[in-house]
Amino acid sequence: QSALTQPASVSGSPGQSITISCTGTSSDVGGYNYVSWYQQHPGKAPKLMIYEVSNRPSGVPNRFSGSKSGNTASLTISGLQAEDEADYYCLSYTSSSTLVFGGGTKLTVL
Amino acid sequence: EVQLLESGGGWVQPGGSLRLSCAASGFTFSSFVMNWVRQAPGKGLEWVSGISGSGGSTYYGDSVKGRFTISRDNSKNTLYLQMNSLRAEDTALYYCAKSLTTRLRGGFGYWGQGTLVSVSS
Repeated sequence: QSALTQPASVSGSPGQSITISCTGTSSDVGGYNYVSWYQQHPGKAPKLMIYEVSNRPSGVPNRFSGSKSGNTASLTISGLQAEDEADYYCLSYTSSSTLVFGGGTKLTVL
Repeated sequence: EVQLLESGGGWVQPGGSLRLSCAASGFTFSSFVMNWVRQAPGKGLEWVSGISGSGGSTYYGDSVKGRFTISRDNSKNTLYLQMNSLRAEDTALYYCAKSLTTRLRGGFGYWGQGTLVSVSS
């Protein structure tokens, strides 16, 4: 199972919006509404930010939103803040009853 | 409060074995799918394995299938990962992660802090 495709890096200024894409196939991202997103700060465990494509766990700011179109899921962060600088990973369920992560995206807040 | 505490990591030679444990508390352990996720130094996340709440169904990533075995003891609220035939590329921080639901597909709501496995001669 190949990793989902994410851009290696994205950047934005405070207050701006950015979008991170996560591209798979019809056997994973496109076939199921089971895409989740994780934020990881250096030296820390990952934290769930979005589940089932667009749902936010309690405690996650509504600046974070998720969507999906075809085989590509997206995480959008609006009103960027300095503390959003981190690595972000998508995760999808697959038709083989396994899970697959994206390669990760480093977000830099300029 | 949900807590996941991994242990059992360490240094092992190629071809060796190691068993990781994850002690869980703060939730009904037997009701949730549990998983192992690893992260090689400076690299991304890789899902390794998952197990149903009863232990009757197990799932593996291609890179560990046939070498690793996931199991759980619901009476002890503990998850395990038996790792055999270890390779240098298995060197990573291994996280225990609790699924959001009773099924594999929903994502991971809680993570432990990880236990480090180093495979080298």
